[in-house]
Amino acid sequence: DAGVIQSPRHEVTEMGQEVTLRCKPISGHDYLFWYRQTMMRGLELLIYFNNNVPIDDSGMPEDRFSAKMPNASFSTLKIQPSEPRDSAVYFCASSLAGGWGDTQYFGPGTRLTVL
Amino acid sequence: QKEVEQNSGPLSVPEGAIASLNCTYSDRGSQSFFWYRQYSGKSPELIMSIYSNGDKEDGRFTAQLNKASQYVSLLIRDSQPSDSATYLCAYPFTGKLIFGQGTTLQVKP
Repeated sequence: DAGVIQSPRHEVTEMGQEVTLRCKPISGHDYLFWYRQTMMRGLELLIYFNNNVPIDDSGMPEDRFSAKMPNASFSTLKIQPSEPRDSAVYFCASSLAGGWGDTQYFGPGTRLTVL
Repeated sequence: QKEVEQNSGPLSVPEGAIASLNCTYSDRGSQSFFWYRQYSGKSPELIMSIYSNGDKEDGRFTAQLNKASQYVSLLIRDSQPSDSATYLCAYPFTGKLIFGQGTTLQVKP
């Protein structure tokens, strides 16, 4: 089992540029989560999907952030335009049964630096 | 927003000692709790889950849940330098996990 796959692992970009982060969940998992982690704010849930449908996007900081899940094996998180305060590690996680007592498996993360 | 409070640490213990990590939560309806471990530069991984009051043991790890006090803890016996990491507690709320800020544990040889 390959686990959750994220790409790229590192991204350095300049303010104002578009950034796209990618995630492939574990096969058979119906839930997919996007998190952001910073020293100041810890691990924050941005959005999660159930069966490719966005369920809760209340954690998405603003309209510059968008997420899609066109099929069960792929999701993207896009930031346009990016700002220095978006610098963080972005994790994707997947699980069989959402947050209700089921293990979430995290990908290795994408470290984003916006200059 | 449902809150989870953890002391950020760092908590420093000598090798072989018992490390005690604590978490308080505000949602009285919470039925289950999880402890995730995150090594520096790595992603969180689940190490313990607990669903009922009392203790749950798994090897050197013991999770303790006290719903009346809204308190959950993780004890690590015979701490090893390899246990040095950040430990995050979390509970499910409306289909998602609410994470604490995490406690950094340092086990000194």
